[in-house]
This record gives sequence, C-alpha cells and structure tokens, in this order.
Amino acid sequence: GIQVEQSPPDLILQEGANSTLRCNFSDSVNNLQWFHQNPWGQLINLFYIPSGTKQNGRLSATTVATERYSLLYISSSQTTDSGVYFCAVLSGSARQLTFGSGTQLTVLP
Amino acid sequence: NAGVMQNPRHLVRRRGQEARLRCSPMKGHSHVYWYRQLPEEGLKFMVYLQKENIIDESGMPKERFSAEFPKEGPSILRIQQVVRGDSAAYFCASSPGPSEKLFFGSGTQLSVL
Repeated sequence: GIQVEQSPPDLILQEGANSTLRCNFSDSVNNLQWFHQNPWGQLINLFYIPSGTKQNGRLSATTVATERYSLLYISSSQTTDSGVYFCAVLSGSARQLTFGSGTQLTVLP
Repeated sequence: NAGVMQNPRHLVRRRGQEARLRCSPMKGHSHVYWYRQLPEEGLKFMVYLQKENIIDESGMPKERFSAEFPKEGPSILRIQQVVRGDSAAYFCASSPGPSEKLFFGSGTQLSVL
C-alpha cells in the first residue's frame, strides 16, 4: 500500500513563530487531508486538499501532487496550535484514508 | 448541526468481557469509518461501512471484532472477549460520500483490565 511520511516528527516553537510541516507520499493520490489532534484527543479536519493551495486564517496548505508532497504552514503560532498534525491520503482503488505518523507540535508561551 | 457522536467516551472492561462502541454520523452522512489509535501512534483503519453494508473491512482483526451500520440507529463496533492489547482509542468518522472530507468523533477510550 501507499507509504505516508511526515516530517519533522517533533517540533517545538515559541509563540509567534512560523512553521512548515511536510507530508511525502509514495504514490499518486486522489485525496489528501490534514488533521489536527489537540491535547484532549479531538481530531479536527483542517484541509481537504488533493492539489493546489488553500488558506484558512493563520493556516495554509499546498499539495504538489505531481511531486508527491504536501506542506502545511502555520504562521504566528499560538499555544492552542499545540498537538499532533496528521496528513492522510487516499490512493488508487483504496476506499479509506491512510494516515501518516504525525508531527507533534509544541508551542511554548 | 451536531457533529459525529461517539459513546461512551470512556469504557473499562475486564479481560474476556464484550465491548460495544457506538457512533452516530453527522446528519446527511451515510459513510462511516472506524479507526484505532494506540498510544503515541497514528490512526489505523479498521472498517468502512455504509447503511446496512460493510464496504471494506480489510483493517479488522479476523477474530473477535465485528461492525455494523443498520438501517436505523448508530454504527456499532463490537469487540468480543477483550484482551489487554485491545486497549486503545477508537475513533469513528463520517463523510457525505466516498473520498469526501472526513469528520471525526471524539473517540472512545477503551481500557481492558
């Protein structure tokens, strides 16, 4: 099956800093989504982005499907951005999303 | 518009007992997915269901685990004769159609004593 690799595995930032999280995948994808799992375990869908660029407030995402990667940008980070960020993809005839192992983000006050 | 509802939030079972986890999808969503998350790990797909049909159960253990999504009522993930290794967070997600944006419930934390 498709392999999904996220980097970095861990990231520590001071409040106000910017960051870029990366998601590489081993095959072409039909569907790519970014999720944030907060410290209480809740999973929030941030972006549905099989290709192109989208922005939502301080967050934006870009997927370059032909080069098999996606980037999540977080600007002016806040402590509430802490948690784990997952990339998930749907590829080929698969019917369900395959998740990466996540990036653990800690934003310090 | 309520989101995906899962209950119970926490479930404690002794080894050998049965666990039943419930999931009501978002209104208008007919596609339900179950994922399992072990501590410090990502989410692993278990099963994908539509009303009254199992579409893909390739991630389900072959024994003790079953899932259903009846015409009326919530989707149920059932684990028989639980073992300590079943301790995990179980998440349900729903979408309005296949390959569409996925919305997750708050999860059920299963602890097996």
